[in-house]
Amino acid sequence: ETVLTQSPATLSLSPGERATLSCRASQSVGSLLVWYQQKPGQAPRLLIYDASNRATGIPARFSGSGSGTDFTLTISSLEPEDFAVYYCQQRARWPLTFGGGTKVEIK
Amino acid sequence: EVHLLESGGGSVQPGGSLRLSCAASGFTFSTYAMSWVRQAPGKGLEWVSVISGSGDSTYYADSVKGRFTISRDNAKSTLYLQMSSLRAEDTALYHCAKTQGVVYDPFDIWGQGTMVTVS
Repeated sequence: ETVLTQSPATLSLSPGERATLSCRASQSVGSLLVWYQQKPGQAPRLLIYDASNRATGIPARFSGSGSGTDFTLTISSLEPEDFAVYYCQQRARWPLTFGGGTKVEIK
Repeated sequence: EVHLLESGGGSVQPGGSLRLSCAASGFTFSTYAMSWVRQAPGKGLEWVSVISGSGDSTYYADSVKGRFTISRDNAKSTLYLQMSSLRAEDTALYHCAKTQGVVYDPFDIWGQGTMVTVS
């Protein structure tokens, strides 16, 4: 199976700062990489699909990049509501797999 | 408004069975593949299974293959997960999720989940 490794596990930042989250795949997934956001007690929310496409209603401060095995989710300027856990997921190969998550916490 | 509501979770002994349901509303259910994704307490997301819009194609994670069966009733706009031979490691919050279209598409709508405890 395709293992997704997210780093760092925890990112401590202040509102207004830039967040850079990494997702590395154990084998190429092309551009078929997805990002989700999950807040405590809530269901995950689709942020970015196919590496760089923002889902409906997602603010422009969220952007995704990468291809092959290395991907990045960038939040250009953190808003209070952005502090959450972020997961990447690959949809290139069966079984579908998720990364372990990166928690973005308030510093 | 698009909405997914899971039900059927509960506490069950190891080796037991449970059937989860997910009632969908606000979209043409038969058009979209649907999936189950679980989350053990305090842990990350784990994909479990997906079924095509017609119900003809199904896929499973190795961890549940042969024990879980995904199905759907398009007339009732309802997704199911029949779980048998349950193990302690199946304890999790089970979310149903709508895909953007086909079985490998991203999950664009998620339900709040139903909790399954195997103990």
